[in-house]
Amino acid sequence: EAGVAQSPRYKIIEKRQSVAFWCNPISGHATLYWYQQILGQGPKLLIQFQNNGVVDDSQLPKDRFSAERLKGVDSTLKIQPAKLEDSAVYLCASSTGTSRLRETQYFGPGTRLLVL
Amino acid sequence: AQSVTQLGSHVSVSEGALVLLRCNYSSSVPPYLFWYVQYPNQGLQLLLKYTTGATLVKGINGFEAEFKKSETSFHLTKPSAHMSDAAEYFCAVSPNTGFQKLVFGTGTRLLVSP
Repeated sequence: EAGVAQSPRYKIIEKRQSVAFWCNPISGHATLYWYQQILGQGPKLLIQFQNNGVVDDSQLPKDRFSAERLKGVDSTLKIQPAKLEDSAVYLCASSTGTSRLRETQYFGPGTRLLVL
Repeated sequence: AQSVTQLGSHVSVSEGALVLLRCNYSSSVPPYLFWYVQYPNQGLQLLLKYTTGATLVKGINGFEAEFKKSETSFHLTKPSAHMSDAAEYFCAVSPNTGFQKLVFGTGTRLLVSP
């Protein structure tokens, strides 16, 4: 079974530029999560989708971050414009969505973003 | 609001020694608790989780954790460390209603020396 795929793996941009990250979850997984992991910290949930609907985006900085999952499969996270403090690893995870509270989240390898 | 505190950003053990990684949580309702491991340049992998039932939970790679409500703790242990256990370990908490929403601690890096 293929895991969660993310691209690119690394990205370097200058502040005020835009950047987009792509995630393809495990086939058949209804729930998709985007996390931000700043160096030295644990991952922080940015947004959670159930199929193509948003379940939780309370910690997404909506003035600059956006995410979509139009067909309920893959997803894109965008930052526009980027700030220095956005330097982090962006992790995508997916889960089946059938047992909600008890299910396991499967994480991709992440995209490491450096904003100069 | 729920939160997790992991005591010790780094823990060093010798190969074959006991591994103990500490996790304390704060929650107004009984939470679900998780331990994840992250190897360099990889995503997180679930080690074990507590939802309901038996408070001693066994996970992969010989790890186990015990939920102690009176101490609000969920410490991770392994009787004998292997070199391959060197990684970063994250404790996480989620509410027991609604959708799973993981709140992670800051992580503990486990160093294993020969």
